[in-house]
Amino acid sequence: QITLKESGPTVVKPTQTLTLTCTFSGFSLISSGVGVGWIRQPPGKALEWLAFIYWDDDERYSPSLKSRLTITKDTSKDQVVLTMTNMDPVDTATYFCVHSRPYHSDGNGYYPFDYWGQGTLVTVSS
Amino acid sequence: DIQMTQSPSSLSASVGDTVTITCRASQSISMYVNWYQQKPGKAPKLLIYAATILQSGVSSRFSGSGSGTDFTLTISSLLAEDFATYHCQQCYSTPPTFGGGTKVEI
Repeated sequence: QITLKESGPTVVKPTQTLTLTCTFSGFSLISSGVGVGWIRQPPGKALEWLAFIYWDDDERYSPSLKSRLTITKDTSKDQVVLTMTNMDPVDTATYFCVHSRPYHSDGNGYYPFDYWGQGTLVTVSS
Repeated sequence: DIQMTQSPSSLSASVGDTVTITCRASQSISMYVNWYQQKPGKAPKLLIYAATILQSGVSSRFSGSGSGTDFTLTISSLLAEDFATYHCQQCYSTPPTFGGGTKVEI
């Protein structure tokens, strides 16, 4: 059974750095094709993909946030960590940790987000 | 980035109805679309991937269609538990992007 759980501060001040940890179980981040990453959702708004890290250490970032994001993994602890610098009130959102792996159909590989953590609400306020 | 435009943003329906939600991509994305259901205060749940393939354990009342730029999610015989917000998402290119969501209300 795959589970993911986010942990980190619930409130950060503007300009501070946010560090979120995703602790997962039920799979290995060294299995071919597997990735873990972060998606956020401001209150009442759409989902926004932030960053992902894959089994082969490939890192992918949202172009609009790339300068502020770093994603790392610790396979010995089954954890993925996201850091986001220079936080602003517009970054107030629920942050979800998600799992992805390839699903194959008609010779193509599709990468849906098939498992999600419960999410953690981060508020940016002084 | 590929833009995903969902419509309608909300709709009202009754138990037993069939509803259709559409998603249009800003460029052709073959069948690289996924659909999710999200209930208030919960994480999204994967319903359909590769535009038409039902995720394991998901009710067959959900179905997806489309390719290229236009996609639909159809929910037949609505149950009370289906009232939620639905999101489309493209996985054709990085960054993956989501539609704005469609809220299905009673």
